[in-house]
Amino acid sequence: DSGVTQTPKHLITATGQRVTLRCSPRSGDLSVYWYQQSLDQGLQFLIQYYNGEERAKGNILERFSAQQFPDLHSELNLSSLELGDSALYFCASGPGLAGGYTDTQYFGPGTRLTVL
Amino acid sequence: ELKVEQNPLFLSMQEGKNYTIYCNYSTTSDRLYWYRQDPGKSLESLFVLLSNGAVKQEGRLMASLDTKARLSTLHITAAVHDLSATYFCAVDTRFPNNNAGNMLTFGGGTRLMVKP
Repeated sequence: DSGVTQTPKHLITATGQRVTLRCSPRSGDLSVYWYQQSLDQGLQFLIQYYNGEERAKGNILERFSAQQFPDLHSELNLSSLELGDSALYFCASGPGLAGGYTDTQYFGPGTRLTVL
Repeated sequence: ELKVEQNPLFLSMQEGKNYTIYCNYSTTSDRLYWYRQDPGKSLESLFVLLSNGAVKQEGRLMASLDTKARLSTLHITAAVHDLSATYFCAVDTRFPNNNAGNMLTFGGGTRLMVKP
């Protein structure tokens, strides 16, 4: 158990809908990262937050957005869902030194999203 | 754009044998991670390699990093069935801006199957 929690574990929804994925980092970690894992794209970085602020952005679609709250939990919002958004979404956390590398990123159990 | 390539993508081996997984990356980085993923599960951190020439060992696994060659290896010694999993290498990249964040770029993974 990495100490990172994610809810829900599974999510089944229809095209065009909007969902919210939630992540709680390990105690003491300030950085939260979101990754998408799919069969065709592999593991891809989406976005990083550090202490409430967006710090890095990867291949995140405009239909997707995220935020990190004062209690450091994070939410990833996916809207206008398409079949191709079906994937495993991981949250990871790390200490997050400001302006520098972090140590190991610890991954949560993931949320499996199925879009029908 | 950073590219991370692993080979082989699939490896079937007999128990007791040795083998090496290779991870090549295309741009300068001195921080590389190895993760293990069991089917349907999250990513478990195995090794963090922080500098050129770093070598780390845990049980039957040994990882090394050559930043000049942009190459990391994961060596398996006397494989056992419990090592069956998918192994990912990931390169840590810092964003070149004042509010620098960082991200992991993953290789495509090596699916290891160890047969009794």
